Amino acid sequence: EVVMTQSPATLSVSPGERATLSCRASQSVRSDVAWYQQKPGQAPRLLIHDASTRATGIPARFSGSGSGTEFTLTISSLQSEDFAVYYCQQCDSWPPYTFGQGTKLEIK
Amino acid sequence: EVQLVESGGALVQPGGSLRLSCVASGFTFSDYSMSWVRQAPGKGLEWVANINEVGSQEYYLDSVKGRFTVSRDSAKNILYLQMNSLRAGDTAVYYCARGRSWTDYWGQGTLVTVSS
Repeated sequence: EVVMTQSPATLSVSPGERATLSCRASQSVRSDVAWYQQKPGQAPRLLIHDASTRATGIPARFSGSGSGTEFTLTISSLQSEDFAVYYCQQCDSWPPYTFGQGTKLEIK
Repeated sequence: EVQLVESGGALVQPGGSLRLSCVASGFTFSDYSMSWVRQAPGKGLEWVANINEVGSQEYYLDSVKGRFTVSRDSAKNILYLQMNSLRAGDTAVYYCARGRSWTDYWGQGTLVTVSS
């Protein structure tokens, strides 16, 4: 099973600043990584697939990069609605398509 | 508008069974693989199972293999998850989601609680 490790567990950033979230895979997953945003009491929302492709309707301030074992989600200028938990997921090796443990992005 | 609406969650005793349903609308259901993902209270996401477009291939998380069965009725646009021999560790919100690996639409989830 591929283990996805996200860092940091909690990230405190001020509105308008840039946030950088990291995700490391225990083995190469090529570019088969997705990122999701989850707010309290809501279902996850797909942000990025294939490491860098924004999902439909996702603002351009969200960008993804990486390949192999190291991946990054960058939010260029944080808006109030961006404070949430973010999960990465590898989509290369089943079973299962494992998720990271999440990074909580909180207001500084 | 794509919509996925789950139902069937409940409080059940260890060893019991439940069947979850997910009604899909707003897209051609038979064109997509579908998945179930769960989230234990206060925890992260865990992939449970998926099924291909025609229902001929199913994949399961090792810990649910032999106990859970995913199926679909493309005439009714419904995805199912039959859960047998339930354990306390299966307690979670269960989401249905569109897609095989990354998933672009999710339902609101249904809560399954396994407790005596």
